[in-house]
Amino acid sequence: KQEVTQIPAALSVPEGENLVLNCSFTDSAIYNLQWFRQDPGKGLTSLLLIQSSQREQTSGRLNASLDKSSGRSTLYIAASQPGDSATYLCAVSRGPGGSYIPTFGRGTSLIVHP
Amino acid sequence: NAGVTQTPKFQVLKTGQSMTLQCAQDMNHNSMYWYRQDPGMGLRLIYYSASEGTTDKGEVPNGYNVSRLNKREFSLRLESAAPSQTSVYFCASSEARSYYEQYFGPGTRLTVT
Repeated sequence: KQEVTQIPAALSVPEGENLVLNCSFTDSAIYNLQWFRQDPGKGLTSLLLIQSSQREQTSGRLNASLDKSSGRSTLYIAASQPGDSATYLCAVSRGPGGSYIPTFGRGTSLIVHP
Repeated sequence: NAGVTQTPKFQVLKTGQSMTLQCAQDMNHNSMYWYRQDPGMGLRLIYYSASEGTTDKGEVPNGYNVSRLNKREFSLRLESAAPSQTSVYFCASSEARSYYEQYFGPGTRLTVT
């Protein structure tokens, strides 16, 4: 059974720092990996999706990398801002054998203070 | 283009009452999902529907039923609510052409007393 772990569980940093959030998974036979952002009391917003054949994806100040062989992904946030404060979740999906259903990590709660 | 919508946003039930959570998507997605999110437990899949006319159990289906009414709508029913079903419920959808990227609704916060 796939297990997804996110470290650290919580992070508090001053504004302007570059951040790395980690996601690890136990089964490397994945179809894709997705990073989400969740604000308090809200739903999940998709940030980046990396297909299994890709090594990284970028969107603005966000860069996500994928190393399937080691079962790891990182989300890099450049020049953090208070508006980046949220919980960040990663999810990995298996292919047809797993019906493309994602397994979620429990998230990293990020606070960026001015 | 509203994406994924859910109703209601909040609900309080007494133990033993029933209710249906509604979900609709306007992205023409084939796959739809129901999750619950609990503190310390993360997101867990209750049921999913890979296409119109099909539904399958997820990790925590007990106490729930679902209906895929048409391609747009996927409802979750609690027949006899229990305090253990107090949670936040999320509906999501995805599609093969976008590599099954998941799109989530805003959630329903349910309290069972």
